[in-house]
Amino acid sequence: GIQVEQSPPDLILQEGANSTLRCNFSDSVNNLQWFHQNPWGQLINLFYIPSGTKQNGRLSATTVATERYSLLYISSSQTTDSGVYFCAATIYNTDKLIFGTGTRLQVFP
Amino acid sequence: EPEVTQTPSHQVTQMGQEVILRCVPISNHLYFYWYRQILGQKVEFLVSFYNNEISEKSEIFDDQFSVERPDGSNFTLKIRSTKLEDSAMYFCASSEALLGTGGFEQYFGPGTRLTVT
Repeated sequence: GIQVEQSPPDLILQEGANSTLRCNFSDSVNNLQWFHQNPWGQLINLFYIPSGTKQNGRLSATTVATERYSLLYISSSQTTDSGVYFCAATIYNTDKLIFGTGTRLQVFP
Repeated sequence: EPEVTQTPSHQVTQMGQEVILRCVPISNHLYFYWYRQILGQKVEFLVSFYNNEISEKSEIFDDQFSVERPDGSNFTLKIRSTKLEDSAMYFCASSEALLGTGGFEQYFGPGTRLTVT
């Protein structure tokens, strides 16, 4: 099955810094999503981005499907950005999302 | 904005007991899913459900698990005889997708934290 790998596994930032999280996937995908898991365990949808670039406030994401990777950019990080960021993908003829192992982000004031 | 809801938010049960986790998907969605996340691990797919049938399931989804859409709005996951290793966060999700028509965004509920003692 498809493998989804994320890097880095851990990231520690000071408030105001920028960061880039990476997601590599081993097969062609028809769905790629980014989530933020908050301290209460809730999964917050950030982006649905099987290809192209999207922006939402301080966050943006780019997926290069032909090269099998996606990037999540966080600019001017805030303490509320702390948590675990997951990417997840589906391949054709299936609708199950395969999750990566996540990037744990800690933002300190 | 429409959202997926789940009840209860936290359930504690004793080993061997049956539990039912409940979900209300987004109203115009046709595909429903259950995922679980054991503490500290990644989220894993359990089962997908369409047109009152299981469309896909993982090896985790064995005979002790079942899903049902008992009415037009609820979607449930039943665990018949809980084990300690069933302790996890269980997420329900829904999407507009029809099988074979391409990937659609899956919308996740807030989760039910199940603790088996």
